[in-house]
Amino acid sequence: SQKIEQNSEALNIQEGKTATLTCNYTNYSPAYLQWYRQDPGRGPVFLLLIRENEKEKRKERLKVTFDTTLKQSLFHITASQPADSATYLCAGGTGGFKTIFGAGTRLFVKA
Amino acid sequence: ETGVTQTPRHLVMGMTNKKSLKCEQHLGHNAMYWYKQSAKKPLELMFVYNFKEQTENNSVPSRFSPECPNSSHLFLHLHTLQPEDSALYLCASSQDMAGGPVGSSNEQFFGPGTRLTVL
Repeated sequence: SQKIEQNSEALNIQEGKTATLTCNYTNYSPAYLQWYRQDPGRGPVFLLLIRENEKEKRKERLKVTFDTTLKQSLFHITASQPADSATYLCAGGTGGFKTIFGAGTRLFVKA
Repeated sequence: ETGVTQTPRHLVMGMTNKKSLKCEQHLGHNAMYWYKQSAKKPLELMFVYNFKEQTENNSVPSRFSPECPNSSHLFLHLHTLQPEDSALYLCASSQDMAGGPVGSSNEQFFGPGTRLTVL
């Protein structure tokens, strides 16, 4: 079945460092990947989208890559801050309305 | 806030009860979604409506019954649920679908969710 897999272990980093989260997809080829942020008790909030023909996309301190050979996307937060602590969800779709989500990776940024 | 509201925020119900979840979006979007989120599991797409018409039903048990009277409102009617149905139910909306006009992102705007507990 089509899957998006993210590291289920929480990522702990020091403030100011770069956080890198991994998203792998299996059994399908998404045309795009999205990254969302989810805080406790809230719904996910869209951050970035990258299409399969794009290698890299940036938005402020965020950078996303899409490697169709490795079937992987990397999500980077540079100069991380405690306010960046949240769960980050990766999602991939092939078109239409159906988007497959991963379970998310929890990020903790320590001051 | 995201422009998508959900009520109630918390719901406790017995297995024989009938209840409804409500979602409203104030964004002028055409598509609305129901997702189920269980602890440490991926979001599961349940239903999608586009211009009030159901376009996806992800093999959801009939004890969940969606209703979309217009593009701004979405309901999820619940009856004879099981304890394993306890989860966070999220509503979302989007302007269009992925693969639409160049530059469209199928960015989904989520509501805060309804935390459902089935006893």
